[in-house]
Amino acid sequence: DGGITQSPKYLFRKEGQNVTLSCEQNLNHDAMYWYRQDPGQGLRLIYYSQIVNDFQKGDIAEGYSVSREKKESFPLTVTSAQKNPTAFYLCASSTPRGGEPSNTGELFFGEGSRLTVL
Amino acid sequence: RKEVEQDPGPFNVPEGATVAFNCTYSNSASQSFFWYRQDCRKEPKLLMSVYSSGNEDGRFTAQLNRASQYISLLIRDSKLSDSATYLCVVNTGKAAGNKLTFGGGTRVLVKP
Repeated sequence: DGGITQSPKYLFRKEGQNVTLSCEQNLNHDAMYWYRQDPGQGLRLIYYSQIVNDFQKGDIAEGYSVSREKKESFPLTVTSAQKNPTAFYLCASSTPRGGEPSNTGELFFGEGSRLTVL
Repeated sequence: RKEVEQDPGPFNVPEGATVAFNCTYSNSASQSFFWYRQDCRKEPKLLMSVYSSGNEDGRFTAQLNRASQYISLLIRDSKLSDSATYLCVVNTGKAAGNKLTFGGGTRVLVKP
């Protein structure tokens, strides 16, 4: 079945360690996104990528890095520079609506990765 | 001012009643709008897109008011299973990098 797979689902790390969250999609979507959600809050955009080998910072990119070497994959690294890394991380993808890259449609989310930094 | 704002609730709704809530957005160039539903500790899922003329999907009705820069969601004949957090999502337009911005969510609790 087509979908988005995030791994790991749960992750515990010590303060100061870098961590990489995996996101893979087989939906043939061009655009991919990383969001962070804190308890009782909405989603905040970390990074997004509209096409392979290109990505843009979202609203809270500091302390994070991404790569988009393949269409299917958009891994997120939470670096030691991120001050409050404990959160629920959601990866999503979308396909342009009406064939126009500027008009994103439905977002398809993975099941999320819960990162706890001890 | 936040780009997308929602009343966090919770809205406590008797089963069978109607509930409605809004989402305001600050960027007048915003192009497309969506309502997502998120269950506790799960990923959001698309509930419905919001079209300029308003649209209905079963018991759910979405409206867009461009002049006042808000969208609304109305749920009729509420079911217990409608209990969730409803997230408003706005595409802020090409000039702003075509980002999808989420509101903080409105929590709805339907009670027997």
